[in-house]
Amino acid sequence: GENVEQHPSTLSVQEGDSAVIKCTYSDSASNYFPWYKQELGKGPQLIIDIRSNVGEKKDQRIAVTLNKTAKHFSLHITETQPEDSAVYFCAASRRGVLTGGGNKLTFGTGTQLKVEL
Amino acid sequence: DTAVSQTPKYLVTQMGNDKSIKCEQNLGHDTMYWYKQDSKKFLKIMFSYNNKELIINETVPNRFSPKSPDKAHLNLHINSLELGDSAVYFCASSQDSPGGQRSPYGYTFGSGTRLTVV
Repeated sequence: GENVEQHPSTLSVQEGDSAVIKCTYSDSASNYFPWYKQELGKGPQLIIDIRSNVGEKKDQRIAVTLNKTAKHFSLHITETQPEDSAVYFCAASRRGVLTGGGNKLTFGTGTQLKVEL
Repeated sequence: DTAVSQTPKYLVTQMGNDKSIKCEQNLGHDTMYWYKQDSKKFLKIMFSYNNKELIINETVPNRFSPKSPDKAHLNLHINSLELGDSAVYFCASSQDSPGGQRSPYGYTFGSGTRLTVV
């Protein structure tokens, strides 16, 4: 099955700096890579996703890059703000494949991001 | 207007009891899931239903039994609760065929049920 590793487990940055979180995956058939933000006491919320036919995607201050050959993808947050403080999860799945659990999201272990004033 | 709603939000119960958690989604999604988040924040899938049909059943003790009366509801019943069952349980939904929400493949999670077994 798929295995997703995520680094670092904790990340502390100064407000205004950039933050980068990296993930690697094991299943070369995975084709969908979302990122989730989980604030305290809440459920994970999708913030950006990328499919395997795209190398980079940007949405305002957040961007995700994907290297299919190396099987790794990264989340980049620029101009960090205190409200960016949360736990971030990467995930991978084989979307469009219902059988064999293809639509199952396998999550990384999470990164606690703290943005300090 | 909650998209994925779970009840209860908190559940404290004694070992050996039987309890249920309910989940409902109003997004029109065709697939629903149960995930367990442990004390280290690790999210692991337990079950997945597509149009009321069980499609994913991970290695979960058979004390856990999901039930999907229709594609908008997925409940989780747990028998003979154990201390190790203490965790936060998240329900989620997604649209597995084209169409639907902003991202056709994104999961929408509920706010979680914190289960504490004493």
